[in-house]
Amino acid sequence: DAGVIQSPRHEVTEMGQEVTLRCKPISGHDYLFWYRQTMMRGLELLIYFNNNVPIDDSGMPEDRFSAKMPNASFSTLKIQPSEPRDSAVYFCASSLLLAGPVSTGELFFGEGSRLTVL
Amino acid sequence: AQSVTQLDSQVPVFEEAPVELRCNYSSSVSVYLFWYVQYPNQGLQLLLKYLSGSTLVKGINGFEAEFNKSQTSFHLRKPSVHISDTAEYFCAVTRMNRDDKIIFGKGTRLHILP
Repeated sequence: DAGVIQSPRHEVTEMGQEVTLRCKPISGHDYLFWYRQTMMRGLELLIYFNNNVPIDDSGMPEDRFSAKMPNASFSTLKIQPSEPRDSAVYFCASSLLLAGPVSTGELFFGEGSRLTVL
Repeated sequence: AQSVTQLDSQVPVFEEAPVELRCNYSSSVSVYLFWYVQYPNQGLQLLLKYLSGSTLVKGINGFEAEFNKSQTSFHLRKPSVHISDTAEYFCAVTRMNRDDKIIFGKGTRLHILP
């Protein structure tokens, strides 16, 4: 039973380049989240989707960041142009239900994409 | 809006000693509470959760947590830690019965000393 799959696991790029991170959620899950983790700021929620629709993107740092979910089995997080301060581990997570009466309340995380911008 | 505070960024403890990782939350409505664990170079995984019912919640790997509504706390405990418990632990909160985002604390790094 496959979990959340993220690619690439590691990305090293130069400042100004476009970066695209990919995520395949667990089949049947209807919520998808993108988080960013750094030593300084901890785990930050960037954006989340419900049934492929963006619900809250208030955590997206600036216009250089964009996220899409064209279908239930795929999402991308794009940074264009990238900057050294974007260096972090980016996690994708999915969930069946979030906090409703029958929710398990559990997020399933991928292994993360470690981004280094030089 | 809800928030989570983990009071200790790092906790060193000797192997086989007990440990408590502290978590306090703030919310104007009822909440669900979680502890997640992150082992090195891995994603987070659920350790335990409080949705309703008994305030003492047992999770995987011998961990347990107690929900204290009056003190708005959800501290994580283990009576005897093992070297394999070395990891970062995150407390998280979400509003009850709302399709809402889960807010994570900044994490507590548990160092097990031999």
